[in-house]
Amino acid sequence: QVQLVQSGAEVKKPGASVRLSCKASGYIFTNYYLHWVRQAPGQGLEWMGMINPSGGSTNYAQSFQGRVTMTSDTSTSTVYMELSSLRSGDTAAYYCTRYFGGNSPLFDFWGQGTLVTVSS
Amino acid sequence: DIQVTQSPSSQSASVGDRVTITCRASQDISTYLAWFQQRPGKAPKPLIYGASSLHSGVPSKFSGSGSGTDFTLTISSLQPEDSATYYCQQYNTYPWTFGQGTRVEI
Repeated sequence: QVQLVQSGAEVKKPGASVRLSCKASGYIFTNYYLHWVRQAPGQGLEWMGMINPSGGSTNYAQSFQGRVTMTSDTSTSTVYMELSSLRSGDTAAYYCTRYFGGNSPLFDFWGQGTLVTVSS
Repeated sequence: DIQVTQSPSSQSASVGDRVTITCRASQDISTYLAWFQQRPGKAPKPLIYGASSLHSGVPSKFSGSGSGTDFTLTISSLQPEDSATYYCQQYNTYPWTFGQGTRVEI
């Protein structure tokens, strides 16, 4: 069965970086784009960007440009999302989710989420 | 960026009611519009993609319609378990953007 399993909760100080992982199983890893979506406490959903595990091409939301890096490791079917220069506004739940592309179902499976807390 | 405006921001309804949520995109997105349901503390659950296609396992009480810039999500025969926040999302053009959400209370 398809699973996206994310790494555990993180507590970071302002200015630090955090690297989250999302391990995929149950499907052909390189066939699906992996996206990251975050949600600050009590707020809505925010699309952060995506990576194509087949080749590693990425597309980031402008609001994260320069601070976010998404990478993939096909040997372990894992994608990583690193966010640098953390500030309190980055406190949020971070989700990974997948998409095949075209007219296929969008974001049909989601990771369980990783809570990142940024606090001094 | 394409702005996606959802309305209403919240809605109160009774068991058995029909609820309609609208989503308006700031430019033509064809049918690249999805709907999600989210309960507190949980990951979003996909409901609709391609404006009107139901995800596998989603009950037919949920339906979506629209194309271009105007879209609707309809929930018929409302039940207590439908109490949640609903989000639309455009995926026609990067950066993909979400609506601000509609909280449905039973």
